[in-house]
Amino acid sequence: QQPVQSPQAVILREGEDAVINCSSSKALYSVHWYRQKHGEAPVFLMILLKGGEQKGHDKISASFNEKKQQSSLYLTASQLSYSGTYFCGTESPRQTSGGGADGLTFGKGTHLIIQP
Amino acid sequence: GAGVSQTPSNKVTEKGKYVELRCDPISGHTALYWYRQSLGQGPEFLIYFQGTGAADDSGLPNDRFFAVRPEGSVSTLKIQRTERGDSAVYLCASSPRGRETDTQYFGPGTRLTVL
Repeated sequence: QQPVQSPQAVILREGEDAVINCSSSKALYSVHWYRQKHGEAPVFLMILLKGGEQKGHDKISASFNEKKQQSSLYLTASQLSYSGTYFCGTESPRQTSGGGADGLTFGKGTHLIIQP
Repeated sequence: GAGVSQTPSNKVTEKGKYVELRCDPISGHTALYWYRQSLGQGPEFLIYFQGTGAADDSGLPNDRFFAVRPEGSVSTLKIQRTERGDSAVYLCASSPRGRETDTQYFGPGTRLTVL
């Protein structure tokens, strides 16, 4: 099943903070966050693995609650360049041993608009 | 180094025609993924290659869709008897080894329009 992202869209002033949530009904092994600008390829932001870790770089960070099967992306002091659509892609524990990962299951995205 | 490249960037075809979409992954990446993205949606998984073999093709919508990766590098997604519902952006991604901890790097996509 597709993870559910919220909110669907958010409009911010430059410098404000935002939180984007991703929730799954399936057990998760990892959550991958991407940002996509119109007409461009999704750009990787970060991966979070099971174990409840929290990661971040610069003013973008994320958390992963394995028990709740949820992840949140935190954007602080937003910049104009943060505008775009944010997708979470989830990966469930492998059903078979050996081989590599299956494809990611993406949410519908959260549209983020940063205004000057 | 060079990223994932896809050709053509745009493809317009007529209903019922056959199309091929090409993906050049990042050099040395053994894992290659195809996704399809419709307007307003997230990418939808189609097929995953580990080397030359399709390790998971569970996302292919029907038997009109087929993909190959004969030498473990370039991949071609083939769509037979195209339908208007096949119109979408087809994205390719590659990762170093295909492990859950690996980042998938996406190409710019091919926008397919079926008239």
